Amino acid sequence: DVKVTQSSRYLVKRTGEKVFLECVQDMDHENMFWYRQDPGLGLRLIYFSYDVKMKEKGDIPEGYSVSREKKERFSLILESASTNQTSMYLCASSRQDAKNIQYFGAGTRLSVL
Amino acid sequence: AQSVTQPDIHITVSEGASLELRCNYSYGATPYLFWYVQSPGQGLQLLLKYFSGDTLVQGIKGFEAEFKRSQSSFNLRKPSVHWSDAAEYFCAVAGGGNKLTFGTGTQLKVEL
Repeated sequence: DVKVTQSSRYLVKRTGEKVFLECVQDMDHENMFWYRQDPGLGLRLIYFSYDVKMKEKGDIPEGYSVSREKKERFSLILESASTNQTSMYLCASSRQDAKNIQYFGAGTRLSVL
Repeated sequence: AQSVTQPDIHITVSEGASLELRCNYSYGATPYLFWYVQSPGQGLQLLLKYFSGDTLVQGIKGFEAEFKRSQSSFNLRKPSVHWSDAAEYFCAVAGGGNKLTFGTGTQLKVEL
């Protein structure tokens, strides 16, 4: 089975802190994604990556950056956390030729105080 | 640009009753369509997918969905709901490239 692991299930940070959310997949997938999920808004794509060191902006990239130094790992970075970044963050991965079938991690619920 | 509409925010059904969750998409050609389920506090799990061919697709947990091109719809159905089906359901469309566009979700409550 595909496994996508997010390093933290719950995270509490203070305004202005630099926050790292880590995601690791074990299926050698080329594509990795970061979403944010908010009630009534569904999932919104923040960033995605289709190869090591490659990244593309999604629909809501402002306030976020990403890093992909190894194929299996995709990090989401909040340079200076703000209260409006309190949310559930979901990581996903997919094969390049898999018709967009994405596999999700369990999510990280981030609270910024 | 592709988009997905799930018109029902909340749905409540009795255990054993049938279920239909609605999904409408907007895309110029035939898209890839998906239904995912999210149990409380969990990530998303793929229920079923449509790429081409037979418009009625079967998924896991007894779910099925029907692609209707004329209505731009991909509704999810289950003949008899179980209490464990209570969750949030997301419809998604892939119109090109590697990205999925998700609907806003439908929260299903099952009454015992």
